Amino acid sequence: AQRVTQPEKLLSVFKGAPVELKCNYSYSGSPELFWYVQYSRQRLQLLLRHISRESIKGFTADLNKGETSFHLKKPFAQEEDSAMYYCALRPLGRRALTFGSGTRLQVQP
Amino acid sequence: DADVTQTPRNRITKTGKRIMLECSQTKGHDRMYWYRQDPGLGLRLIYYSFDVKDINKGEISDGYSVSRQAQAKFSLSLESAIPNQTALYFCATSDSGTGEGETQYFGPGTRLLVL
Repeated sequence: AQRVTQPEKLLSVFKGAPVELKCNYSYSGSPELFWYVQYSRQRLQLLLRHISRESIKGFTADLNKGETSFHLKKPFAQEEDSAMYYCALRPLGRRALTFGSGTRLQVQP
Repeated sequence: DADVTQTPRNRITKTGKRIMLECSQTKGHDRMYWYRQDPGLGLRLIYYSFDVKDINKGEISDGYSVSRQAQAKFSLSLESAIPNQTALYFCATSDSGTGEGETQYFGPGTRLLVL
């Protein structure tokens, strides 16, 4: 069965510092990978997905099949980036997402 | 996103009681999901439904049941609530027509406390 690991429960950085939220997965085939974000008092929402190769709010994530990772990065953190971030995986052709346990990002002024 | 609504938003119940959490959506999506969120464990899938006649167990379905009453409605029942079912419950929807990379849209959550 597939598994998603986010090793850090909490990541605290200062405004303007680079951010990397780690996500590792275990799955033998080709997965679809996503990052979801939950800001305070807001709903969980999609941030980005690997298939789109997009940058959203300055965040990027590259799928590294060799290392089975999908780390989320931003070169300069902003206070408004403070939120709970979840990495999620869907095996290609399968039906439902598997979420990691989440990382709380705290950006201090 | 008011297109996915959950009722009630908060619920306190006692051990052994039967309760139902409801989810409605106006997005016209065919797929619906129920998750629970616990501190340190993230979101875990309870049940999911890919259309009205399709119901599938997720990772942690024991102690739960679901009903897909219509394309727009998906309810979650706890037949006999127990304290370790205290959690935040989320409903989500997605559209199979979007293909790869389909997005899930989440409701606001229902906070359940079982005493």
